[in-house]
Amino acid sequence: GENVEQHPSTLSVQEGDSAVIKCTYSDSASNYFPWYKQELGKRPQLIIDIRSNVGEKKDQRIAVTLNKTAKHFSLHITETQPEDSAVYFCAAIAYGQNFVFGPGTRLSVLP
Amino acid sequence: EAQVTQNPRYLITVTGKKLTVTCSQNMNHEYMSWYRQDPGLGLRQIYYSMNVEVTDKGDVPEGYKVSRKEKRNFPLILESPSPNQTSLYFCASSRSGEQPQHFGDGTRLSIL
Repeated sequence: GENVEQHPSTLSVQEGDSAVIKCTYSDSASNYFPWYKQELGKRPQLIIDIRSNVGEKKDQRIAVTLNKTAKHFSLHITETQPEDSAVYFCAAIAYGQNFVFGPGTRLSVLP
Repeated sequence: EAQVTQNPRYLITVTGKKLTVTCSQNMNHEYMSWYRQDPGLGLRQIYYSMNVEVTDKGDVPEGYKVSRKEKRNFPLILESPSPNQTSLYFCASSRSGEQPQHFGDGTRLSIL
């Protein structure tokens, strides 16, 4: 089955700097890769996603890149703000299969 | 308002006492799933359902049952709960498996 690894497990950045979180997956059939943000005590919420036929997607300060050959995808947050502090999860899924999440990255944006 | 509703939000119970966590969505989604969240392990899928009367095991199905008799409901059943099932549980739904999932607010279960 699919296995998703995520690094780093914790990340601290200064406000205004960029943050990058990387994930790798094992199943070449996976074709949908979402990223979720979870604030303390809240539900996970989708922030951006990418499909296997696209190499990069951007939404304001957030971008995701996908390298299908290397089986890895990354989340990029620019101009970080204190409200970006949260736990971020990547995930991968192939059609008809189960969703597999990475273990999460705790991002702290320091003022 | 589009939402996924889980009940109860909190439950403390004892080993072996059967319990059910309900999940209902009002978005006419076909795909529903249950996750448990434990520190350091992220979200692990317990069961998922791609449509009515169709359910499949996720990564950690042992000790759990589900049913999907109606499109909107996907209850999680613990027939004989044990302390290792103490966790935070989330229900989620989406139009299909490869679509953004909408999560409920979570159910914190403590099995003593």
